Amino acid sequence: VQLQQSGPGLLKPSQTLSLTCAISGDTVSSNIAAWSWIRQSPSRGLEWLGRTYYRSKWYHDYAISVRSRITINPDTSKNQFSLQLTSVTPDDTAVYFCAKSFDPTGSHPSLPGEIWGQGTMVTVSS
Amino acid sequence: IRLTQSPSSLSASTGERVTITCRASQDINKYVAWFQQKPGTAPKLLIYDASTLQSGVPSRFSGSGSGTDFALTISSLQSEDFATYYCQQYYDFLLVTFGPGTKVDI
Repeated sequence: VQLQQSGPGLLKPSQTLSLTCAISGDTVSSNIAAWSWIRQSPSRGLEWLGRTYYRSKWYHDYAISVRSRITINPDTSKNQFSLQLTSVTPDDTAVYFCAKSFDPTGSHPSLPGEIWGQGTMVTVSS
Repeated sequence: IRLTQSPSSLSASTGERVTITCRASQDINKYVAWFQQKPGTAPKLLIYDASTLQSGVPSRFSGSGSGTDFALTISSLQSEDFATYYCQQYYDFLLVTFGPGTKVDI
């Protein structure tokens, strides 16, 4: 399994951050996987942002800190998932990672990510 | 749920036994993972469920603990083990958090 991230690395305040994570070797609609976004910055450390997963229907879980601004969507036609974060500020400057968790029973989507993307440095600056 | 790690950094030599601890602000059962991260790369999963070794990870890595106190031990430090190590809790599936990290260098 490999995850390949893409998206712009420079944004201005108030813009929307949009990143995509393309999946190879697995399926975004797998019943035994969950797909997350995590970011890392010197000020915040590693911060889990949210996840999407399919268990007969789609679920989306988001961290409280970004819940009002975040959307994570699967795209089954392209076998990928995306992150959108609206109204960004310089505090959103970070390296963003996508990750896959293997959930063998289908009942524990919060298991830690075993496969990670390469990371995307996103800078928010006017 | 806050996680604290000790020490924040340590210096060690190859062949040494190294232990890093992670303390949670509340009981999190066994739901702790350990990651290794080298500069410019993504974190790598070493251990989950406090003590289960991720496939492909060398057996010199081990994890222990439950409740609020956890530990990662490297039985014999190798040159490729110099990195930063993070614990993560996933007890609350909506409130996944990471520790601040422990840097291991020579």
